[in-house]
Amino acid sequence: RKEVEQDPGPFNVPEGATVAFNCTYSNSASQSFFWYRQDCRKEPKLLMSVYSSGNEDGRFTAQLNRASQYISLLIRDSKLSDSATYLCVVKRGSGGNQFYFGTGTSLTVIP
Amino acid sequence: NAGVMQNPRHLVRRRGQEARLRCSPMKGHSHVYWYRQLPEEGLKFMVYLQKENIIDESGMPKERFSAEFPKEGPSILRIQQVVRGDSAAYFCASSPGLAGPGGETQYFGPGTRLLVL
Repeated sequence: RKEVEQDPGPFNVPEGATVAFNCTYSNSASQSFFWYRQDCRKEPKLLMSVYSSGNEDGRFTAQLNRASQYISLLIRDSKLSDSATYLCVVKRGSGGNQFYFGTGTSLTVIP
Repeated sequence: NAGVMQNPRHLVRRRGQEARLRCSPMKGHSHVYWYRQLPEEGLKFMVYLQKENIIDESGMPKERFSAEFPKEGPSILRIQQVVRGDSAAYFCASSPGLAGPGGETQYFGPGTRLLVL
């Protein structure tokens, strides 16, 4: 089983729509969680860290569910510029140095 | 504060040659990670280094690949006797390596795209 699994999509949504992505992780010892976005042939860029209490940054909301071992990303009022691949990233706790990346979920926002 | 820098951005090598990829972390960052991304695939962890030390190289192929992060200068990922299957984008990321929120956030360089002919 992969460390991190994401639905690859693609998700094609109209401007203004709300879209949600989920990501599951297999190791219950994982302690740090992130969402990155990656534009075509560019480097990944941090979108937001995911905290246990959930966190919001403008139109973006991230949630963590430790019991079910998944994290989610909600994008409200989608913009054309939100079109990208969204990467779920998980880091294990103590003794683990590796960051595990999901293969990404592709989002295209349509005018 | 300059971001993570990688060079070259594009590198073409023939089979059997050596490839050297360089990464300069963000100022103040002492932790460097190397990842490989094959076309249409996710990032795969290769190696994690701190200054003069390899902390975790569990993602590195056993042969032909090596990495270093000297006391002075950039981190180097070295691939000897390249083969076509080494063609990929190689990303470097750095983090401050501090405890607490944000301390382990990774910031990525623009990547080096290696093409082996």
